[in-house]
Amino acid sequence: QQQVKQSPQSLIVQKGGISIINCAYENTAFDYFPWYQQFPGKGPALLIAIRPDVSEKKEGRFTISFNKSAKQFSLHIMDSQPGDSATYFCAASMGSGNNAGNMLTFGGGTRLMVKP
Amino acid sequence: DGGITQSPKYLFRKEGQNVTLSCEQNLNHDAMYWYRQDPGQGLRLIYYSQIVNDFQKGDIAEGYSVSREKKESFPLTVTSAQKNPTAFYLCASSTSGFAEAFFGQGTRLTVV
Repeated sequence: QQQVKQSPQSLIVQKGGISIINCAYENTAFDYFPWYQQFPGKGPALLIAIRPDVSEKKEGRFTISFNKSAKQFSLHIMDSQPGDSATYFCAASMGSGNNAGNMLTFGGGTRLMVKP
Repeated sequence: DGGITQSPKYLFRKEGQNVTLSCEQNLNHDAMYWYRQDPGQGLRLIYYSQIVNDFQKGDIAEGYSVSREKKESFPLTVTSAQKNPTAFYLCASSTSGFAEAFFGQGTRLTVV
């Protein structure tokens, strides 16, 4: 079974701190690793994504670190803000090739609270 | 504006009733998906469709049915066979390859 394991389930960080969320996967055929951000009562929205040909990708305060040999990837939120409080999902898929779809396997989610 | 529209936002179902959740997209995406989200849980795949008139079961398809008669539309029916239907349902769509999956705003279904 294709699985993506995410930790921690919940995280509390002080404003200005660093939030770190980790994910591990099993299927070595996965080649696309996005992170989604979800606010209460809303659908998830893509935050940042990485492909396995790079070890790190940074967009503003958000960084993905990718360790292919360990089959792990993580999201780092620098200078965390109260507005970052949301649920974060990692995901993985086999996005390459001629597949007409991009079926994502999601981690269990991390509920982040950033205290002012 | 392009995007995915789910309706209704809130839906109440009596025991033994079938209900249909609507999902429409104007992004010209080939693939569409239905996920179920329970409180504090991740997203579980119910059904997906990669092309019109074709769809596949996901991990938790029992008690659900779908159709894909048009590229833009992928309705989900929650049948009376689904014993625990209360959940937040999310529809998504994407193109092929390394493509972002776009999500709708969800439908919260409650059994009363």
